[in-house]
Amino acid sequence: KAGVTQTPRYLIKTRGQQVTLSCSPISGHRSVSWYQQTPGQGLQFLFEYFSETQRNKGNFPGRFSGRQFSNSRSEMNVSTLELGDSALYLCASSLGSGTNNEQFFGPGTRLTVL
Amino acid sequence: QQPVQSPQAVILREGEDAVINCSSSKALYSVHWYRQKHGEAPVFLMILLKGGEQKGHDKISASFNEKKQQSSLYLTASQLSYSGTYFCGTERGGNFGNEKLTFGTGTRLTIIP
Repeated sequence: KAGVTQTPRYLIKTRGQQVTLSCSPISGHRSVSWYQQTPGQGLQFLFEYFSETQRNKGNFPGRFSGRQFSNSRSEMNVSTLELGDSALYLCASSLGSGTNNEQFFGPGTRLTVL
Repeated sequence: QQPVQSPQAVILREGEDAVINCSSSKALYSVHWYRQKHGEAPVFLMILLKGGEQKGHDKISASFNEKKQQSSLYLTASQLSYSGTYFCGTERGGNFGNEKLTFGTGTRLTIIP
């Protein structure tokens, strides 16, 4: 069974631009969660989508948004990029919603904002 | 509130044991443990639900004491492959599995031959 895939793997943008990251979950998984990982803050929860609905949201500004499609693939968008948005963005898929489900992480997208 | 992990880093020789602790100031519903090797995605180790259960596979086990709001991960007879950063993810109580996971800042474990 194929794992979670994320595209692109690396991205370089400049301040003020916007970016869209993509995540394809494991086949059959309906929940996708997004995390931001930085050396200083560690893994921080962005949001979770289940059956095209946002179920949970972390403490990030409105510049961070996401969506999920009917095939469970998910996209995350960051508008008006800031230097502090440089991070590894991870998505994780699970069979169901709720955190009593094992999450499978993708390899991440490394975003660098210049 | 981010859970607190201790120690922040530990270096062991192959075959030695290690304990990694994860503490929260809030009541917990569940604790998840993940390991992340450098440049790779976090990999799931186990979930512990409230009820004071203990789980384990191979030589890695964990306990969850909901009264103390803490969990401990035990690695016995460590192997080189155990090297990596270990994260606990906690879910606060009260919403029966529908809360988000909050991760600790990680414990870097280095195993040397």
